[in-house]
Amino acid sequence: DAEITQSPRHKITETGRQVTLACHQTWNHNNMFWYRQDLGHGLRLIHYSYGVQDTNKGEVSDGYSVSRSNTEDLPLTLESAASSQTSVYFCASSESGPTTNEKLFFGSGTQLSVL
Amino acid sequence: RKEVEQDPGPFNVPEGATVAFNCTYSNSASQSFFWYRQDCRKEPKLLMSVYSSGNEDGRFTAQLNRASQYISLLIRDSKLSDSATYLCVVLSNTDKLIFGTGTRLQVFP
Repeated sequence: DAEITQSPRHKITETGRQVTLACHQTWNHNNMFWYRQDLGHGLRLIHYSYGVQDTNKGEVSDGYSVSRSNTEDLPLTLESAASSQTSVYFCASSESGPTTNEKLFFGSGTQLSVL
Repeated sequence: RKEVEQDPGPFNVPEGATVAFNCTYSNSASQSFFWYRQDCRKEPKLLMSVYSSGNEDGRFTAQLNRASQYISLLIRDSKLSDSATYLCVVLSNTDKLIFGTGTRLQVFP
């Protein structure tokens, strides 16, 4: 069965370290997204990609970067982790088309703690 | 004002009850509307889309009121397994999904 997987499930790191969260999907979806979820906020879009070599900033992109070298993977990198980046991170994908973002398939999430 | 607003709850209801959630959105140009369900510590999953004419899926009914800019979700005959957080989601005119903070439902025996 097609799926979307994130790794690691839990990560503890120190401020200033570079951290990369992995996202891999086997849906063959062109569209991939990274969100963070915090108490008091809805899911907020960090970065997204509509295909290989395409990346775009979302509403909370500062301090994060992504790269899309193939269809299956969209790794999220925190260049220099900060305590404000402690959060649950969700990767998602969707089919491309006229209603590209109607149905998102989410990974199981990564709980990141920055100490 | 937040783009999508929901009552955080929790709504505590007995099994078999009918419960309704509302969600308001601020951008009148919003295109599409959805309800996602999120179980504790799990990923969100699409529950249903919301169409202008209203739509029903088993015990769940979703309605859209464009004039007043709100959508609703009605759950009939609540089950223990309905306990979850329900996220109101709006597709903006820039083709981005905007998520509400969610309404928590707890169904008790």
